[in-house]
This record gives sequence, structure tokens and C-alpha cells, in this order.
Amino acid sequence: NAGVTQTPKFRVLKTGQSMTLLCAQDMNHEYMYWYRQDPGMGLRLIHYSVGEGTTAKGEVPDGYNVSRLKKQNFLLGLESAAPSQTSVYFCASRHGQGIGETQYFGPGTRLLVL
Amino acid sequence: TQLLEQSPQFLSIQEGENLTVYCNSSSVFSSLQWYRQEPGEGPVLLVTVVTGGEVKKLKRLTFQFGDARKDSSLHITAAQPGDTGLYLCAGVYNQFYFGTGTSLTVIP
Repeated sequence: NAGVTQTPKFRVLKTGQSMTLLCAQDMNHEYMYWYRQDPGMGLRLIHYSVGEGTTAKGEVPDGYNVSRLKKQNFLLGLESAAPSQTSVYFCASRHGQGIGETQYFGPGTRLLVL
Repeated sequence: TQLLEQSPQFLSIQEGENLTVYCNSSSVFSSLQWYRQEPGEGPVLLVTVVTGGEVKKLKRLTFQFGDARKDSSLHITAAQPGDTGLYLCAGVYNQFYFGTGTSLTVIP
């Protein structure tokens, strides 16, 4: 039981390049989230999904796209990377919306955009 | 929009000291969670508080939710080096809104 895994762990991009971050969970969770973490800013929600085939915008969605074709996977895409997207990206999942339900986080992907 | 402000941002204390971390907002949340994050890892949930005025204890950690459900505090008694990490609060209202974080270092 791996929980939440993220691929890759670290990536360096040049401005304008594209890439996809993969998040996978094996807990059969309905809800999945993508956050970015920057110093002094805490975690900010980029996009989220409440089930297979659904996606919704979070607090900072500009410059990112997501897809949830399979329940266990949630992909985050950067079509044209910018230095402002240098950050640590975390994926999380949880079973439902019940009060107190835990979010389980992946180990993060460190992205550097030059 | 940063809905939750944490203070202090950084805290360095000696082993055995007590400390309190604050999480404040002008918004009302249905519940509030506290997480601890260690370097190179994702946050891990410590506790969820739901009722205004609620106090929860987890060994040496005491969590309190404000009466108006807008703020919370985390108190650590007799801090240990193993408590070192980034502490994050998260208000829950449809989605999760994370605080700015408090980086705690406990010096042996």
C-alpha cells in the first residue's frame, strides 16, 4: 500500500517548456488535490477533483491544467513553464468530504524553471 | 488571497521550553486542521477541531479552536528535538485553505 506517490521527484525546465506531473493514489479516494508550496506562503490550491472525470479550479489555477481520466491518477500540466512556477508541488487525496477526513499527501515534486 | 495567518513565522527554542503557535483568520471555517511537515516530505495531519471552543490534546500538544471558529492555537509543552518541523493550520470550507506556516526548531 503505497498511499500517494508523485512522479518525478525533481525536475528542471527552461522557460517555455512543458511538462506533466503525475500523482497516483491506491486508496480508492474520490477527492484529489494539487497544491504548490512557496516560502512564507503555506500551501495554495491549484486545482482539485471530486471524482473521476471531474476537475475544478482552486486558488491559483492560471498556467496549469489538470486531468482525472482514471480515479487513481491526477495529472498536473504546465503548457509553457515560467520562472514564477518554480515551486514544490504536492498532491493529496482523501476519501470524502466528511468533517475530519484526512488528506494524505505525496512526497512532493520540486520544480525549477530557469 | 491568504485567508489564514500564522504567527510566529519562525521559532527557535531550547529543548524543554513551552511554545504556542497561532492561526488567525477573518473567515469562519467548518473545521480546522493542524499538520506537521518535515523537510522533503508532505504534510501529515495531527488533529482536526470542529466545535467552537474545542480543546484537543495529543500527548504534549494541545490544540484549541476559537469560540467563533475563526482562529486556533497549538501549544507544545516541554518541546523536544523531534518536534522540529513546519506546522501548518488549514481551515476547511468546501476546500482547504492553508496558513502561512510556522517553522519550529527545537535545539537539544
